[in-house]
Amino acid sequence: QKEVEQDPGPLSVPEGAIVSLNCTYSNSAFQYFMWYRQYSRKGPELLMYTYSSGNKEDGRFTAQVDKSSKYISLFIRDSQPSDSATYLCATNLSGSEKLVFGKGTKLTVNP
Amino acid sequence: DAGVTQSPTHLIKTRGQQVTLRCSPISGHKSVSWYQQVLGQGPQFIFQYYEKEERGRGNFPDRFSARQFPNYSSELNVNALLLGDSALYLCASSLDSRGVAEAFFGQGTRLTVV
Repeated sequence: QKEVEQDPGPLSVPEGAIVSLNCTYSNSAFQYFMWYRQYSRKGPELLMYTYSSGNKEDGRFTAQVDKSSKYISLFIRDSQPSDSATYLCATNLSGSEKLVFGKGTKLTVNP
Repeated sequence: DAGVTQSPTHLIKTRGQQVTLRCSPISGHKSVSWYQQVLGQGPQFIFQYYEKEERGRGNFPDRFSARQFPNYSSELNVNALLLGDSALYLCASSLDSRGVAEAFFGQGTRLTVV
């Protein structure tokens, strides 16, 4: 079983739609949960991170962690064509240097 | 402020050759990590360095090595290149070795082995 599972998609939505991206993880000791956005042929860009369970909101983006079910989500409201990218979830153990990534979900927002 | 910078951006090498990739972290960041991203996959952890010392190593063969310099820049070396080493190599910097929740990535070096 992979440590972090993420549906690779692709996911295609119309502009203005609410997008839900999800990952599951296997190690209950994971503490930090991150979402990165990666445009084609670019490095990943940190969108937001959360520590332990709960929600975190930043503009149109909301990250949600449910440690009881080992499930992490990213919601994008009012999606824009500029949101078209691959979204990577990542996690790590507290104090660990190693980030563990999902495969990434490729999102296309159509005008 | 400059972000994480990596050089070169693209590289083509022949099987069996050696390659050196370079990374300059964000000013003030002391920790540098290296990741390999194969097409269609998420990044895989290779190394982390903090204050010139190796703090973590991923499941990669000994052909992969790295070091960090007094100015916190870093090099990743790969010897005896294989076709399977073709990938995007990413460098990430963070403030210290504990701050990996806020790791910032460079644009990567795309290595093609032919």
